[in-house]
Amino acid sequence: KQEVTQIPAALSVPEGENLVLNCSFTDSAIYNLQWFRQDPGKGLTSLLLIQSSQREQTSGRLNASLDKSSGRSTLYIAASQPGDSATYLCAVSTNTGANSKLTFGKGITLSVRP
Amino acid sequence: NAGVTQTPKFQVLKTGQSMTLQCAQDMNHEYMSWYRQDPGMGLRLIHYSVGAGITDQGEVPNGYNVSRSTTEDFPLRLLSAAPSQTSVYFCASIHRDSSEAFFGQGTRLTVV
Repeated sequence: KQEVTQIPAALSVPEGENLVLNCSFTDSAIYNLQWFRQDPGKGLTSLLLIQSSQREQTSGRLNASLDKSSGRSTLYIAASQPGDSATYLCAVSTNTGANSKLTFGKGITLSVRP
Repeated sequence: NAGVTQTPKFQVLKTGQSMTLQCAQDMNHEYMSWYRQDPGMGLRLIHYSVGAGITDQGEVPNGYNVSRSTTEDFPLRLLSAAPSQTSVYFCASIHRDSSEAFFGQGTRLTVV
C-alpha cells in the first residue's frame, strides 16, 4: 500500500527565506506527483504536476523536483512571502487517467512571518 | 472556467437525517472522486467513478452512496447521518491524459 509522508507537519520561517518542503512515498511505481496548496477553510489548488518521466517542474517562484528511485519530491519556494502561508500537500498517482488513484500526504502548514 | 463546483458549502444535520452533496464538473473528465478530510487523518478516498454508470468504493465507503448518471455530475449521499461523518468533503475530477486532479471548494458538514 502506497504511503506518503510529509515532515515536518508545520514550519515557520521569516519573510524572504528560500525554503524546501519535503514529500516521500513508499512505492516508486507512480504515474505522477502533484503539489497542492490549501488555504484555511478552502479547497485544494493545484500548484505543480510532475509526470513520472520528468525530473522537475517550475512555476514562478515554485520549483518541484521528483526522484522516483528514492521515493522523494521537494517543493522549493524562493523568496517566501506572507501570502505563501498555507498548507501544502503532495499526492502521488499510481495509475493513469480514468483509473488514477491519488494518495495524499497529511500536509505541511507553512507560516511566513513578516 | 467553473471547474469543479460543490454545493452546499456548509451543512448541519441531525443524526439520522439524510442528504446529498452535489458535485459537478464542466471539464468533461471521466474520473471523479469524493474525499473526506479530517484533522490528523489527511484526505481519504470515499468513492470514485471512472465514467457514467461506473462507480467503486474507496478507502472509507461505509455510510455513503454514489451514482453517476452523467459525465458532469457525481453526487454523494448520506443515508443516515452519524456524528462520525462530521468532516470536510471534497469532490475531485482528473484529466484523462495528464492525470492532473482538480478539486472543488469543499462542503463542511457537521452532524449533531
